[in-house]
Amino acid sequence: EAGVTQSPTHLIKTRGQQATLRCSPISGHTSVYWYQQALGLGLQFLLWYDEGEERNRGNFPPRFSGRQFPNYSSELNVNALELEDSALYLCASSRFGRYEQYFGPGTRLTVT
Amino acid sequence: GDSVTQMEGPVTLSEEAFLTINCTYTATGYPSLFWYVQYPGEGLQLLLKATKADDKGSNKGFEATYRKETTSFHLEKGSVQVSDSAVYFCALSTFSGNQFYFGTGTSLTVIP
Repeated sequence: EAGVTQSPTHLIKTRGQQATLRCSPISGHTSVYWYQQALGLGLQFLLWYDEGEERNRGNFPPRFSGRQFPNYSSELNVNALELEDSALYLCASSRFGRYEQYFGPGTRLTVT
Repeated sequence: GDSVTQMEGPVTLSEEAFLTINCTYTATGYPSLFWYVQYPGEGLQLLLKATKADDKGSNKGFEATYRKETTSFHLEKGSVQVSDSAVYFCALSTFSGNQFYFGTGTSLTVIP
């Protein structure tokens, strides 16, 4: 069974630009979660999608947004990039309900 | 609100030493509890889980017991190896909102 995949592995952007990160969940999983892991910090919850809808959102500004497609893959968009957006962005998937989350390898976003 | 409090690191141990990483939680209802491990440069991997009180999760020599009376889920290993060097995250999942709450992570370094 294929795990959660994320692309790209690394992304380098300039301040003010937009970044798009992609995630494909494990087959059969309908929920996708996005987390930000800044250097030296824990995981900060960003967004949760299930069945194409945004179910919950963490304490992040609106320039962090995303969507989930009919095949349950997901995209995270970060607009007007700031230097402090540099972090590892982790995607996880699960079946809906109180099931464990399975994580992808992450996308390392660097904003210069 | 629901939350996880995790022992602060970093922790440095000699090979074959005994490991304990403390984790306590606050939650309404009956959460599921998890330990995740993050090796350098990688995403999170599920290490073990417990879904009800008195359950013991175990994997790769690691164990944790779901203690409802003390609201704890401490991670233990009898004899650590250099390859166990990683960051360990305690987490809980509640059914309300399918929300996951992560601890801040504990960095473990095992020296030969």
